Amino acid sequence: DAGVIQSPRHEVTEMGQEVTLRCKPISGHDYLFWYRQTMMRGLELLIYFNNNVPIDDSGMPEDRFSAKMPNASFSTLKIQPSEPRDSAVYFCASSPEGTGLNQPQHFGDGTRLSIL
Amino acid sequence: SQQGEEDPQALSIQEGENATMNCSYKTSINNLQWYRQNSGRGLVHLILIRSNEREKHSGRLRVTLDTSKKSSSLLITASRAADTASYFCATSNYGQNFVFGPGTRLSVLP
Repeated sequence: DAGVIQSPRHEVTEMGQEVTLRCKPISGHDYLFWYRQTMMRGLELLIYFNNNVPIDDSGMPEDRFSAKMPNASFSTLKIQPSEPRDSAVYFCASSPEGTGLNQPQHFGDGTRLSIL
Repeated sequence: SQQGEEDPQALSIQEGENATMNCSYKTSINNLQWYRQNSGRGLVHLILIRSNEREKHSGRLRVTLDTSKKSSSLLITASRAADTASYFCATSNYGQNFVFGPGTRLSVLP
């Protein structure tokens, strides 16, 4: 049974470039979450979707960050323009039907993003 | 802030010993979850305990919850080298927030 799939696993790019991170949730899961993990700030919830609709984006740090979920099997997190302080590991997670924040979440292995 | 805080930040034990990690939080919650993260990997869910529960078990894991003290503990019995990882608690307050603590780094030495 496939878990949450993220791509790419590693991304190195120069400041100012657009970065797109991709996520395929577990089939049948209604909730999708995007997190950022850094040594300084730990794990931060950026945004989450229910049935492809954004529910809470209060964790998105700036307007440079945007997330979409065009269908139940695909989501993107975009940073434009990227800055060195965006360097982090970005995780996608999904959870089944129910009140999403009250269910166990299944995480992908993350995208390690380095902005030079 | 509702943030959970794990204690200790780091723990080093010998294989076979028990490991106890604690999590404290500040506001009312309806459930608390524990996750494990191996180096370079995503988080793996371990146990969810609801606010009306006091203790849950899963294999070698035992989680307790004391809502009066706003704290939870995770006990790993008979630890193995494979238990080496970071452990996080995450709290949810009735669907309004979901916050991870900073984690405890556990090292189990062979």
